[in-house]
Amino acid sequence: DAKTTQPNSMESNEEEPVHLPCNHSTISGTDYIHWYRQLPSQGPEYVIHGLTSNVNNRMASLAIAEDRKSSTLILHRATLRDAAVYYCILREYSGANNLFFGTGTRLTVIP
Amino acid sequence: DAGVTQSPTHLIKTRGQQVTLRCSPKSGHDTVSWYQQALGQGPQFIFQYYEEEERQRGNFPDRFSGHQFPNYSSELNVNALLLGDSALYLCASSLVGPIDTQYFGPGTRLTVL
Repeated sequence: DAKTTQPNSMESNEEEPVHLPCNHSTISGTDYIHWYRQLPSQGPEYVIHGLTSNVNNRMASLAIAEDRKSSTLILHRATLRDAAVYYCILREYSGANNLFFGTGTRLTVIP
Repeated sequence: DAGVTQSPTHLIKTRGQQVTLRCSPKSGHDTVSWYQQALGQGPQFIFQYYEEEERQRGNFPDRFSGHQFPNYSSELNVNALLLGDSALYLCASSLVGPIDTQYFGPGTRLTVL
């Protein structure tokens, strides 16, 4: 499975945008980019995914570089509830998909 | 609509014992995956069940086994417990397909003494 690289930690002020980067230089043409997050004392939860085009949903936006070697998860207005570990994961389009988590980025939101 | 549920919440065992963890998937889901999460680490994939068969397995020894029942619920069994098996065990359910978003339960915290 292709590897992703994320900063260990980031900080953001409450109500400001947050840009969480992810590098995936060995991504293949069939790999989807998924983001999950894990709030304290909870299981991970799905945030967003994309293949080539930028994506938006109610939780976040995903900006994918033209060469697909990197992507950025954007939280438009960070709240205290967004404090979590964010995981960037590559998943090949196939029948038996499982998630390979790295260590993720721990986001701290400062009031 | 209930999400993924797991039982028990916490469990304490001693080395050499056996443990069974249980998972009920989100309504409508047919696939269950199990993950182990050590403290400070990301979850590590153990195996995935679909149609009552183990479909894919991560790098875990045979001491880790599982089962999926006709109602799609699942069990994770660990034999001959080691201290290093202490972790949060997460169950995730999904609906088989090209983009099977996984929904995670809250986990079972296993402590091996």
